[in-house]
Amino acid sequence: DADVTQTPRNRITKTGKRIMLECSQTKGHDRMYWYRQDPGLGLRLIYYSFDVKDINKGEISDGYSVSRQAQAKFSLSLESAIPNQTALYFCATSTGAGELFFGEGSRLTVL
Amino acid sequence: AQSVTQPDIHITVSEGASLELRCNYSYGATPYLFWYVQSPGQGLQLLLKYFSGDTLVQGIKGFEAEFKRSQSSFNLRKPSVHWSDAAEYFCAAEGGGSYIPTFGRGTSLIVHP
Repeated sequence: DADVTQTPRNRITKTGKRIMLECSQTKGHDRMYWYRQDPGLGLRLIYYSFDVKDINKGEISDGYSVSRQAQAKFSLSLESAIPNQTALYFCATSTGAGELFFGEGSRLTVL
Repeated sequence: AQSVTQPDIHITVSEGASLELRCNYSYGATPYLFWYVQSPGQGLQLLLKYFSGDTLVQGIKGFEAEFKRSQSSFNLRKPSVHWSDAAEYFCAAEGGGSYIPTFGRGTSLIVHP
């Protein structure tokens, strides 16, 4: 089983719908991140959390919200999806020693 | 502002040829530096990292990278590329104790047989 698991792996939805992407980890790491990947733009940070009570905005948080339900779970929500949120989303964890551990990604298409 | 630049969007090499992927950073002090690889349909995997010390860093899958402070660079190299190395490569940097890595835009490696 993967150490960082993202669900769903693929999702197609319509403009205006609420979407939740979930991430769970078995690595025991305190730090968790949500990134968005777009072709030619690399990875951009949406939100990050250094422990259960700590939530921080990244560079592109508008239109997104997160919830850290437990040390192992970090969910990303799109309250009202729009087409330019079509992207590949990655959850990652870290011990803080530099290396990020990534899930396999959630591909979201907003029509 | 802190930034990581990968000047090459695409690189095409023949199998067996050598490879160098470029990465430059702009930070006030030397950051921690990383190279990740993303195979098709997969998440990112760490190839190697530089924190301090020896400026030539060895990684997995036969990759190495050299830190050059004078050029603010951290280029990734491999002496002989295999077809399975075709992937997206990302350089990243983390500085100032932020624990927030900044990624470059990525370089897509295409390997011809």
